[in-house]
Amino acid sequence: SAVISQKPSRDICQRGTSLTIQCQVDSQVTMMFWYRQQPGQSLTLIATANQGSEATYESGFVIDKFPISRPNLTFSTLTVSNMSPEDSSIYLCSVGDRGRPGETQYFGPGTRLLVL
Amino acid sequence: AQKITQTQPGMFVQEKEAVTLDCTYDTSDQSYGLFWYKQPSSGEMIFLIYQGSYDEQNATEGRYSLNFQKARKSANLVISASQLGDSAMYFCAMRVNNAGNMLTFGGGTRLMVKP
Repeated sequence: SAVISQKPSRDICQRGTSLTIQCQVDSQVTMMFWYRQQPGQSLTLIATANQGSEATYESGFVIDKFPISRPNLTFSTLTVSNMSPEDSSIYLCSVGDRGRPGETQYFGPGTRLLVL
Repeated sequence: AQKITQTQPGMFVQEKEAVTLDCTYDTSDQSYGLFWYKQPSSGEMIFLIYQGSYDEQNATEGRYSLNFQKARKSANLVISASQLGDSAMYFCAMRVNNAGNMLTFGGGTRLMVKP
């Protein structure tokens, strides 16, 4: 499976600021995804990052709050803008492996964000 | 819309015993996949096992097996010979094949293995 890294692994931020999270994959992948996991909760898909086009956002998530870039097939960024304490979560990127049954998604190690 | 339900918020199991984690799902689609992931306290999501809706045999991966009962819409994870390192959150997830690539996750079960 692909090796996925995320930066930063964790951060503490002040409300009103923005943080950009990077996701790097060691091979070219078509599909990259960004998930949010709020404290004690399950994972919720934020958006699908498409190479060469705008990201596709799920209901409840908007581009102004979570702008996403996908400049090539191995890299994506998620920005959490104008942060509030409610944005404190683990943010995970994942990639779909078309060579695996069900196009299994593999996840990066996550970014733990605390907003004060 | 798809829905995944994990009814056990937390479970204990004695080391070396087997444990079953429950997962039921709801979809009107016939073609779908079911996944189990493990999330240790470090926060990473580790893929464990996959079952396709048309797979006739229950999936197995080492100490993990999936008890797939399609008519009941259940996909329970069985962990044999539990180890202390199995203590973690476990998430069941579903992907409907004609609804894009998104995964819908259940609420998770926290498994605690007792020595």
